[in-house]
Amino acid sequence: DGGITQSPKYLFRKEGQNVTLSCEQNLNHDAMYWYRQDPGQGLRLIYYSQIVNDFQKGDIAEGYSVSREKKESFPLTVTSAQKNPTAFYLCASSISGVGNQPQHFGDGTRLSIL
Amino acid sequence: ILNVEQSPQSLHVQEGDSTNFTCSFPSSNFYALHWYRWETAKSPEALFVMTLNGDEKKKGRISATLNTKEGYSYLYIKGSQPEDSATYLCAPNTGTASKLTFGTGTRLQVTL
Repeated sequence: DGGITQSPKYLFRKEGQNVTLSCEQNLNHDAMYWYRQDPGQGLRLIYYSQIVNDFQKGDIAEGYSVSREKKESFPLTVTSAQKNPTAFYLCASSISGVGNQPQHFGDGTRLSIL
Repeated sequence: ILNVEQSPQSLHVQEGDSTNFTCSFPSSNFYALHWYRWETAKSPEALFVMTLNGDEKKKGRISATLNTKEGYSYLYIKGSQPEDSATYLCAPNTGTASKLTFGTGTRLQVTL
């Protein structure tokens, strides 16, 4: 079945460590996105990529980095500069990066600080 | 960052009741309005993407309307069923790039 796979489901990070969240899609979608959810807040956009080898900052990019070397993969690195990384992270994709295309979501990764 | 408001925050209805929620957003630079359903332990699922003022979309018992001039959208569920229990999210998009701003959602619980 086509879809989006996020791994791991749960991730624990020690203070000062960088961690990378995986997102893979086999939908042949051009665009991919990373969101963060915190209690009582809506999903907030971290980074998005409309095409391979290109990506843009979203609303809360500080402390995060991404790469888009392959169409099907959009990993997110949470760096030690992210002071409050504990959150639920969702990856999504859409056929194109145009705003009238629905987004398809993965199951998410929950990141916690040890 | 856009100010997107959804009301009510939560709703508890009986099976068979019809219900509706509101999504309010800035009307300037509007491009599209997305609705998603997010069931517990699952991933968000796209319901509708609406672009035209006055647009109405329908999917089974769920329908949505859009007013881009005043900046609001309504989502209606007719004859609610327990499987409709979920959080319903709206997200407007300004500009052509798909850069969504999500509201905090309306959490619907349907009981027998």
